[in-house]
Amino acid sequence: AQSVAQPEDQVNVAEGNPLTVKCTYSVSGNPYLFWYVQYPNRGLQFLLKYITGDNLVKGSYGFEAEFNKSQTSFHLKKPSALVSDSALYFCAVRLRSYNTDKLIFGTGTRLQVFP
Amino acid sequence: ETGVTQTPRHLVMGMTNKKSLKCEQHLGHNAMYWYKQSAKKPLELMFVYSLEERVENNSVPSRFSPECPNSSHLFLHLHTLQPEDSALYLCASSQDGLAGGTDTQYFGPGTRLTVL
Repeated sequence: AQSVAQPEDQVNVAEGNPLTVKCTYSVSGNPYLFWYVQYPNRGLQFLLKYITGDNLVKGSYGFEAEFNKSQTSFHLKKPSALVSDSALYFCAVRLRSYNTDKLIFGTGTRLQVFP
Repeated sequence: ETGVTQTPRHLVMGMTNKKSLKCEQHLGHNAMYWYKQSAKKPLELMFVYSLEERVENNSVPSRFSPECPNSSHLFLHLHTLQPEDSALYLCASSQDGLAGGTDTQYFGPGTRLTVL
């Protein structure tokens, strides 16, 4: 079955330190992978996506993600965390067939950046 | 902002009420989506409309009834809801959902629904 897993419910990191939010996927074929962020009382905001090409994808707010086909992972990273990065992060994979086109979301990881 | 608006932002309703949620996108997209976000659960896709036709209905109870009068507007009509339907309802849009276009979905801010 096509799925996305975010193994950590919460990630805590000190401001200025690098952060990683993990995501692994299970899909047939070439995956289209996405990261979204949700701030309190807001909808999801698109951060970045991987379709093809360079395995390192750069996105909004200084975030980047690395696609690793052998490990079926798409971890979100940032070299230096900010307190304002504290939010809920969702990984998603696109599921597309002749009669459907939708995103499958992970359960989310709450990132807490401490001053 | 993302170009997708939702009204109302908050809604409290009784189980016998009828209400509607509205979503409007200003991005020129032709696919729209309704999601339900409950605490401690993954985001649940409810309905997908592509080119104003419903192409996905994920076993959603009939007390939720979507309507897509044109490519810019999407409604979710609510009738005789249950307390467990309390959640954040998110609308999203994208270009060419089933026509092979871009794949990024843009979300509205959501409607926080409480059913008493």
